[in-house]
Amino acid sequence: GAGVSQSPSNKVTEKGKDVELRCDPISGHTALYWYRQSLGQGLEFLIYFQGNSAPDKSGLPSDRFSAERTGGSVSTLTIQRTQQEDSAVYLCASSFGQGNYNEQFFGPGTRLTVL
Amino acid sequence: AQSVTQLGSHVSVSEGALVLLRCNYSSSVPPYLFWYVQYPNQGLQLLLKYTSAATLVKGINGFEAEFKKSETSFHLTKPSAHMSDAAEYFCAVTPTSGSARQLTFGSGTQLTVLP
Repeated sequence: GAGVSQSPSNKVTEKGKDVELRCDPISGHTALYWYRQSLGQGLEFLIYFQGNSAPDKSGLPSDRFSAERTGGSVSTLTIQRTQQEDSAVYLCASSFGQGNYNEQFFGPGTRLTVL
Repeated sequence: AQSVTQLGSHVSVSEGALVLLRCNYSSSVPPYLFWYVQYPNQGLQLLLKYTSAATLVKGINGFEAEFKKSETSFHLTKPSAHMSDAAEYFCAVTPTSGSARQLTFGSGTQLTVLP
């Protein structure tokens, strides 16, 4: 079956521009996560959505970062006024149910380069 | 707060040799523990997980890991390395209770398999 998909696979932008990254989770998965993978910081949690509950935004690094999840499915991560330190691979994951023991399935990521 | 330490950012083994990748966690209560593998330009794939059942966990591709509470460890092993095992390996934890659902990752270990 189809896995988690992300688009675009690569994004190059200029400092100060806004970008939107998209994630399509596995159908039926109620939980969706965004992580960031960078050379200096490793893999970091950004935000978590579970069903219709309020998202856990505790990992967002600044107010320039926001995310939404429409209809309990597709999610968009938006970075406003991008900075060079935002350059990283942004990974989306989804899982079924609310248990922490459930496997998170990861997408291939979006590589963001801020010039 | 939970944390994960992976000793050795780079590990090299010969084809056919034992693979041992180390992971230690730090939390007041043993968490759920996961090992993920990441091949170049791909997302993360779950190898195995510990969810408070058997302490010796078998995963895909011949990998296994043993949970040792007394040592706060969850080391990953494979008896005989194959060239296709070359990848980056991440240990991750998540709490067994509370509202947090995200994974906290170690810094990763790059495995090189020598012919």
